Amino acid sequence: GQNIDQPTEMTATEGAIVQINCTYQTSGFNGLFWYQQHAGEAPTFLSYNVLDGLEEKGRFSSFLSRSKGYSYLLLKELQMKDSASYLCAVMDSNYQLIWGAGTKLIIKP
Amino acid sequence: DAMVIQNPRYQVTQFGKPVTLSCSQTLNHNVMYWYQQKSSQAPKLLFHYYDKDFNNEADTPDNFQSRRPNTSFCFLDIRSPGLGDAAMYLCATSRDGQGGYEKLFFGSGTQLSVL
Repeated sequence: GQNIDQPTEMTATEGAIVQINCTYQTSGFNGLFWYQQHAGEAPTFLSYNVLDGLEEKGRFSSFLSRSKGYSYLLLKELQMKDSASYLCAVMDSNYQLIWGAGTKLIIKP
Repeated sequence: DAMVIQNPRYQVTQFGKPVTLSCSQTLNHNVMYWYQQKSSQAPKLLFHYYDKDFNNEADTPDNFQSRRPNTSFCFLDIRSPGLGDAAMYLCATSRDGQGGYEKLFFGSGTQLSVL
């Protein structure tokens, strides 16, 4: 079967750095997405990786290793507004999105 | 601004009473999706339309139906809602759906409560 694993919940301090990991086992691979979802709201797109390496976009960076079936989302200079769930999703060989259950990130002052 | 709009934001219905959720888009995207998401769970794809072609997920209950009368609108009909159908329903679009980099644009969701 297809599977996406991410930690259920993480806690970090305002101003710090946090890394949210995602491991996947899917039928083929056509890219990995990270979405941010605030409580009671819809997911919003953060990043897309299809090649190995690090993609940086402001305070957020996303890393991919296809050989290891692994990605992480790195959030720097954490702000209170970053408190949200972070969803990892992989597009499989049929261009279907396989979603993780999300990591709830709690930011403390 | 071009966007995906869902109405209503909150919907309360009675057990067994049919309910319809609506979604519209001004992005002119070919693909529209309906997801069900329960608290702290991954979004679950119910069905999607590629243009007018309807694609039903194998495990989507028959209680759920969908209509896409034109490019801009898509509806989710729940014929006889049960308590287990209480969830956030997310409508999303993508430009083509056939390539690798096809990020989804989500509406704000409809939170459905079943009494």
